[in-house]
Amino acid sequence: DAEITQSPRHKITETGRQVTLACHQTWNHNNMFWYRQDLGHGLRLIHYSYGVQDTNKGEVSDGYSVSRSNTEDLPLTLESAASSQTSVYFCASSDTGLSTDTQYFGPGTRLTVL
Amino acid sequence: KNQVEQSPQSLIILEGKNCTLQCNYTVSPFSNLRWYKQDTGRGPVSLTIMTFSENTKSNGRYTATLDADTKQSSLHITASQLSDSASYICVVNTGFQKLVFGTGTRLLVSP
Repeated sequence: DAEITQSPRHKITETGRQVTLACHQTWNHNNMFWYRQDLGHGLRLIHYSYGVQDTNKGEVSDGYSVSRSNTEDLPLTLESAASSQTSVYFCASSDTGLSTDTQYFGPGTRLTVL
Repeated sequence: KNQVEQSPQSLIILEGKNCTLQCNYTVSPFSNLRWYKQDTGRGPVSLTIMTFSENTKSNGRYTATLDADTKQSSLHITASQLSDSASYICVVNTGFQKLVFGTGTRLLVSP
């Protein structure tokens, strides 16, 4: 069955380190998204991609970067981790750009920055 | 500023009882509204989607309503089960896959 996976599921790192969170989908979806989820906030969009070599900034993109070299993967990189980036990160994908298209979410990565 | 507000923040009900969750939104432009279910430690899963012209949409024991005039939506759960314990998130799509998320209602179904 097609799916979307994230790794690692849990990560502890130190302030200042570079961290990369992986997202892989087997649906062959064009669109991929990264969100963060914090207490008291709804999910917030970090970066998104509408296809290979396409990346766009979302609402809370400072300190994060992504690259899209193939259809299946959209890794999220924290260039220099900060305690404010402690959060749960979700990757999602959707097939078309239609507003009625469903976004399918991965299981999440819990990141702790000490 | 686009906002989606949900109430209550949390709710405890007995197994077998019904409940209704509320969502108010101030989002423009409006394309559609979804309710997602998020189990603890998992990603959100879509339950229902309603466009501007739809008033009601059902998915099994879940029934969502939409009043586009008052910008309100509700999710009614009938005959609750223990597996309904989760967070329920109201999400408005402003177009081109741009989503505005509510903070969710945490539901606990008690035996």
